[in-house]
Amino acid sequence: GEDVEQSLFLSVREGDSSVINCTYTDSSSTYLYWYKQEPGAGLQLLTYIFSNMDMKQDQRLTVLLNKKDKHLSLRIADTQTGDSAIYFCAEMGGRDDKIIFGKGTRLHILP
Amino acid sequence: DGGITQSPKYLFRKEGQNVTLSCEQNLNHDAMYWYRQDPGQGLRLIYYSQIVNDFQKGDIAEGYSVSREKKESFPLTVTSAQKNPTAFYLCASRDRGTTEAFFGQGTRLTVV
Repeated sequence: GEDVEQSLFLSVREGDSSVINCTYTDSSSTYLYWYKQEPGAGLQLLTYIFSNMDMKQDQRLTVLLNKKDKHLSLRIADTQTGDSAIYFCAEMGGRDDKIIFGKGTRLHILP
Repeated sequence: DGGITQSPKYLFRKEGQNVTLSCEQNLNHDAMYWYRQDPGQGLRLIYYSQIVNDFQKGDIAEGYSVSREKKESFPLTVTSAQKNPTAFYLCASRDRGTTEAFFGQGTRLTVV
């Protein structure tokens, strides 16, 4: 079945760039997402990319997609303390409306 | 304002009791989803519905039931058959013609 994998923790110094990586298995994925979750809250969509694109940039966020390797990354430039959260990678398959999430990467900002 | 609402935010139940979690959206979205979140497990799909009066099992449907009698509502019942029901439950909805799934603020269920 479909699976999405990402590392569980990342620590970055304030002002540096953060890169969160994700791999997925469903070759028929149509959309790939990055969501952000702050403590005790729901999920907020940060950005998404269509499976026929290889890069998308939105202010401090850059998403890179390597469809051949089924690898997705999220780069946050100039990481701030407000970026501290859990970041979820997710994919929606081409066959149905299922959205499958990874386990989330907890981003910790060092002073 | 348009949005997706889950209620209540916190819910306590005794072991062996069924409990129903509410999810309502006024976004006119066709697709709705229920996820369970446990520490270190991420979000796992329980059930999803693409249209009224139709729904499909996700990866961890055992011990749960849903209904989709109205477009705006997708309640989740946690039955006594669910062995470990204490968790954070998230509901989402999506317009099938768009990409973004909107999430509610979640319900934290504690079974004692």
